Amino acid sequence: DAKTTQPNSMESNEEEPVHLPCNHSTISGTDYIHWYRQLPSQGPEYVIHGLTSNVNNRMASLAIAEDRKSSTLILHRATLRDAAVYYCILRGGAQKLVFGQGTRLTINP
Amino acid sequence: GAGVSQSPSNKVTEKGKDVELRCDPISGHTALYWYRQRLGQGLEFLIYFQGNSAPDKSGLPSDRFSAERTGESVSTLTIQRTQQEDSAVYLCASSQRASGANVLTFGAGSRLTVL
Repeated sequence: DAKTTQPNSMESNEEEPVHLPCNHSTISGTDYIHWYRQLPSQGPEYVIHGLTSNVNNRMASLAIAEDRKSSTLILHRATLRDAAVYYCILRGGAQKLVFGQGTRLTINP
Repeated sequence: GAGVSQSPSNKVTEKGKDVELRCDPISGHTALYWYRQRLGQGLEFLIYFQGNSAPDKSGLPSDRFSAERTGESVSTLTIQRTQQEDSAVYLCASSQRASGANVLTFGAGSRLTVL
């Protein structure tokens, strides 16, 4: 079973920020939080990952709660190309990776 | 190559036939994962290889499914006596190591249609 919980769907408007939440209350000390997204008819692609501190890259920001039991992926200015299914997973050591259903993000023009 | 390569990209087969799907991971990537994604569904874990360790086969849905990987190179997923419910996109992913700090790179998938 997936170790993370995400809303099934979210909707936002173009050029507005989007905050995608993920709960992972059973996270262990060595688990990294990873985000991937899957555009229509494509394989998933990496977005961002982090351990404890907030992270920024050219695609997004990752805000990690102080107790690490939740995190939020932030798209600062959504575009229509950001419409995708976003998956939050925990990755520790040598183990299988189980994906949940993810959040389907719809961007309105 | 620069990315994870999967072949064939599309496969149409008749019920009862065997199929082989191939995954070429990024060179040097020791961890390799196979997933199945049915239409409109999420990723379903199938099998995981890490270096020369015994693979984690806990996600294989039946004994008709098997996978092999030679060392840290190509992996083949075989489905015997295909059924219509096997129709899906089969995705392969690899990472440099099986560590939380390493990210996954996915292939574009192999779309299997069983008639």
